[in-house]
Amino acid sequence: ETGVTQTPRHLVMGMTNKKSLKCEQHLGHNAMYWYKQSAKKPLELMFVYSLEERVENNSVPSRFSPECPNSSHLFLHLHTLQPEDSALYLCASSQDLGDRGMEQFFGPGTRLTVL
Amino acid sequence: GIQVEQSPPDLILQEGANSTLRCNFSDSVNNLQWFHQNPWGQLINLFYIPSGTKQNGRLSATTVATERYSLLYISSSQTTDSGVYFCAVEYLYSGYALNFGKGTSLLVTP
Repeated sequence: ETGVTQTPRHLVMGMTNKKSLKCEQHLGHNAMYWYKQSAKKPLELMFVYSLEERVENNSVPSRFSPECPNSSHLFLHLHTLQPEDSALYLCASSQDLGDRGMEQFFGPGTRLTVL
Repeated sequence: GIQVEQSPPDLILQEGANSTLRCNFSDSVNNLQWFHQNPWGQLINLFYIPSGTKQNGRLSATTVATERYSLLYISSSQTTDSGVYFCAVEYLYSGYALNFGKGTSLLVTP
């Protein structure tokens, strides 16, 4: 595997389900991000992790719970979602956050549908 | 608030034509990237260009940071260039997010 991978690529879930999205980066990076792309809004940042510590939370509802067990893996745990949470969820990574302005590389995304 | 504006919003070209996409941003930036989003949603990195000019094959980009704009040039367009092109910036003093524009939707016809 190369670059940034995400699983699953597609997910359909009911509002009472619990599911998790997985992201893995094979670039040796130290920073990872979750972004959300909705049909009617520009791509927006959800969370940023640097060396497994959350450094930014962009006012995301608590029904989204991120986890970063090591610098190569990032999860997004989902529970009691709403239909308006249906979107493309994109994971990204960058070398680190130290100097800011680092190039970000994106995975293929998970297309989530909440029924 | 922070603004990233892309123009035009939609563009239809015949194969072989050239085009210029523009990105205006409202504040000083650490990072500016151009992406191509394919029909499956994958964001493909085209350029990392907070300032200056870069070229990669038929594509080139220029960022004039002091005037807060960037341009993406596509020459001799091909049908495989179709998709949505996004400009994204990381502002100097506002966290680590890439702030995306709404994109330019490009369709190249045979």
